[in-house]
Amino acid sequence: KAGVTQTPRYLIKTRGQQVTLSCSPISGHRSVSWYQQTPGQGLQFLFEYFSETQRNKGNFPGRFSGRQFSNSRSEMNVSTLELGDSALYLCASSYGPGTSLYEQYFGPGTRLTVT
Amino acid sequence: AQTVTQSQPEMSVQEAETVTLSCTYDTSENNYYLFWYKQPPSRQMILVIRQEAYKQQNATENRFSVNFQKAAKSFSLKISDSQLGDTAMYFCAFIGDDKIIFGKGTRLHILP
Repeated sequence: KAGVTQTPRYLIKTRGQQVTLSCSPISGHRSVSWYQQTPGQGLQFLFEYFSETQRNKGNFPGRFSGRQFSNSRSEMNVSTLELGDSALYLCASSYGPGTSLYEQYFGPGTRLTVT
Repeated sequence: AQTVTQSQPEMSVQEAETVTLSCTYDTSENNYYLFWYKQPPSRQMILVIRQEAYKQQNATENRFSVNFQKAAKSFSLKISDSQLGDTAMYFCAFIGDDKIIFGKGTRLHILP
């Protein structure tokens, strides 16, 4: 079974631009969660989508948004990029809701650098 | 608000030794789940072990076991007979009240 894939793997953007990251979950998984990982803040939950509906949202500004398609693929968008948005963005998929006992399978991440 | 604290930012142990990584959390929830995830260098994060709060018995997965102390809100991970492949960043995670919170991680080095 193919694992979670994320594209692109690396991205360099300029302040003020917007960016869209993509995540393809493991086949059959209905939940996709997004996380931001930085050295200072660690791993922080952004949001979770389950069956095309946002179930949960972390404490991030409205510049961070996402969506999930009928095939469970998910995209995350960040508008008006700031230097502090530089991070590794991880997505994770699970069969059931991410906020449950179901194991989350993580992708390799997208490394975003904002200059 | 729930918090997860991993008090050891970095640890080093010799191969074949036993090491314990600590994790404490704060919550007013009674039903929740606890996880340990491992992130090897330049590789994807994977689940190590998980525990349901209502289960008193400590979870075990081969060389990995936890010491879950619900009253003390402590969830430590013990790695027995450590191997070079155990070198990684380890994250403790709390899931409850539809929220997931990770600790800041412990970087573990296994020395040959």
